Amino acid sequence: NAGVTQTPKFRVLKTGQSMTLLCAQDMNHEYMYWYRQDPGMGLRLIHYSVGEGTTAKGEVPDGYNVSRLKKQNFLLGLESAAPSQTSVYFCASSRDSDPTGSPLHFGNGTRLTVT
Amino acid sequence: KQEVTQIPAALSVPEGENLVLNCSFTDSAIYNLQWFRQDPGKGLTSLLLIQSSQREQTSGRLNASLDKSSGRSTLYIAASQPGDSATYLCAVFNNAGNMLTFGGGTRLMVKP
Repeated sequence: NAGVTQTPKFRVLKTGQSMTLLCAQDMNHEYMYWYRQDPGMGLRLIHYSVGEGTTAKGEVPDGYNVSRLKKQNFLLGLESAAPSQTSVYFCASSRDSDPTGSPLHFGNGTRLTVT
Repeated sequence: KQEVTQIPAALSVPEGENLVLNCSFTDSAIYNLQWFRQDPGKGLTSLLLIQSSQREQTSGRLNASLDKSSGRSTLYIAASQPGDSATYLCAVFNNAGNMLTFGGGTRLMVKP
């Protein structure tokens, strides 16, 4: 049981380049999330999805796009990378939105550097 | 807008000490509060979850308390061990909306 898998683990981009981060979960979870974590700051929600084919904006969505074409996959895209997007990106999934009976499962993160 | 603050940002203690990590939040209309552990290069693992109607939760050497009216939570770690070294984050789930708001974390080092 792999849980939540993120690829790639590391990536270096030049300003203006594009890339896609992939998140895959094998727990049949409805909810999936993309967070970014910056030094000294907590995780901030970028986008999330409440089911296949749906996406919604989180706290810091600008500069990112997402897609949830299949229930098990949640893709995060950067169309034109900027140095301010240097961060560690975490994907998470849960059965539903309430953490009480549906804890979040996190991937191990993708460390992205934009030069 | 909910804001979550954790103090201190970093803490170093000798093995065996009891310690307290603090978490404060600005909006008391929360549904629940969680404490997470994050090891270097890894994702977050949930440690304890306290419902808004509860005062505390315990798991082994960990005890989390919640004072919703004052906007505070503490994580008490008894008899700390080097294996407890990690970053600890708290997060609140508000009554409105369906997202967690995280604090910045406390980086704990327990020295042998």
